[in-house]
Order: sequence, then C-alpha cells, then structure tokens
Amino acid sequence: AQSVTQLGSHVSVSEGALVLLRCNYSSSVPPYLFWYVQYPNQGLQLLLKYTSAATLVKGINGFEAEFKKSETSFHLTKPSAHMSDAAEYFCAVSDQVEAGGTSYGKLTFGQGTILTVHP
Amino acid sequence: EAQVTQNPRYLITVTGKKLTVTCSQNMNHEYMSWYRQDPGLGLRQIYYSMNVEVTDKGDVPEGYKVSRKEKRNFPLILESPSPNQTSLYFCASSLLLAGGPETQYFGPGTRLLVL
Repeated sequence: AQSVTQLGSHVSVSEGALVLLRCNYSSSVPPYLFWYVQYPNQGLQLLLKYTSAATLVKGINGFEAEFKKSETSFHLTKPSAHMSDAAEYFCAVSDQVEAGGTSYGKLTFGQGTILTVHP
Repeated sequence: EAQVTQNPRYLITVTGKKLTVTCSQNMNHEYMSWYRQDPGLGLRQIYYSMNVEVTDKGDVPEGYKVSRKEKRNFPLILESPSPNQTSLYFCASSLLLAGGPETQYFGPGTRLLVL
C-alpha cells in the first residue's frame, strides 16, 4: 500500500527565507506525486505534480519539488518565502487502481505541514 | 467558472439526526470522491464514484452513504451521525483518462460538528 510521510507538522520561516517542506513516500511502483496547498477556510489547490517526466517539477507561486527515487522523497521548496505562503501543505501519492474495468488515481495524503511565515 | 461546490459550508447537528452534504461539479468529471480531514491525519477517503451509479468504499466508509444518480452530483449522507464524525469534509472531482491520474479539484469544505 502507498504511504506518505511529511516530516514536521509545523514549519516556521522568516519572510524572504528558504522554504523546505519534506515529503517521503513508499510505493511499490513508480509513483505519481502531488503537492496541494490549503489556505485558511478554503479547499485544497494543486501546487504541482510529478508524473514521471522531469524530476524537477515547477509549480505555481514559485514553488518547485524534486523527485528523488533513491531517497523516495519529493520535497517542496521555494527560494524566498512570502507572507501569502502561510498555509497548510499536503503531499500526496497516487496509485492507479483498477475497478469496474477502468482505472483511477487513488490519492493517499500525508499528515500535512502548517507553514508559518514571520515578518 | 470551473468549480466544485459543497453545501452547507458549516453544520451543527445532534447525534442521530440524519443529514446530507451536497456536492456538485460543473466540469463533466467522471470521478468524484469524498474525504474527511482530521488534525494530524491528513485527508482520508470515505467513498468514491467512477461514474453514474458506480460507487465504492474508500478507507473510512463506516457511518456514511453516497449516491451518484447524476454525473454532476455526489451527495454524502450520514444516516445517524455520531460525535466521532465531527470533521472537515471535502468533495473532489477529476477526469478519468488512460495513462495516469488526473488532477483532483476540491470543493471549499464542509465543517461538521455533531453534538
């Protein structure tokens, strides 16, 4: 079964500092990996996704993530934090599941990391 | 505007009183899913649907029901809510295409408190 571990339930950075949110996964097959962001009182929004093309994936709002198979990691980074980046971030792994003659991507989420940005 | 809508956004109820949370999407997506979000546990899948009249259990289906009579709607039903169903609920939808998982689009969430 797929699983995702996000190291650190809370991360605090200063405005302008590097953001690093850690995600490790376990998967028996090449995974599809996602990062979602949840702003206060809102639903989840896709930041970026890895689908076995380039290992360095660029997303919205200046975020990027690097897939490292040897480390089973998909850490999220942003060179310079902004106050508007304060939110909860979820890493997710998708596994193709066969059902009823077709397949779909079942998402398994990590526990989430709350990012706080200080002035 | 492409979106997933949920109603109500906030709900306080009492143990045993049946309730329904509606979910609707306007993107003609085949796949729809319900998740619950609890602190420290991330999102866990309750039920999902691959198309009209095709539904199946997710990881935490106990105490919930769903139906998919129309492609755009996927209501979540709690026949007899209990306090352990107090949570934040999200509906999501996506296309079903060969070759890999498609991005899931999430609704704004429904915060439920069961007393």
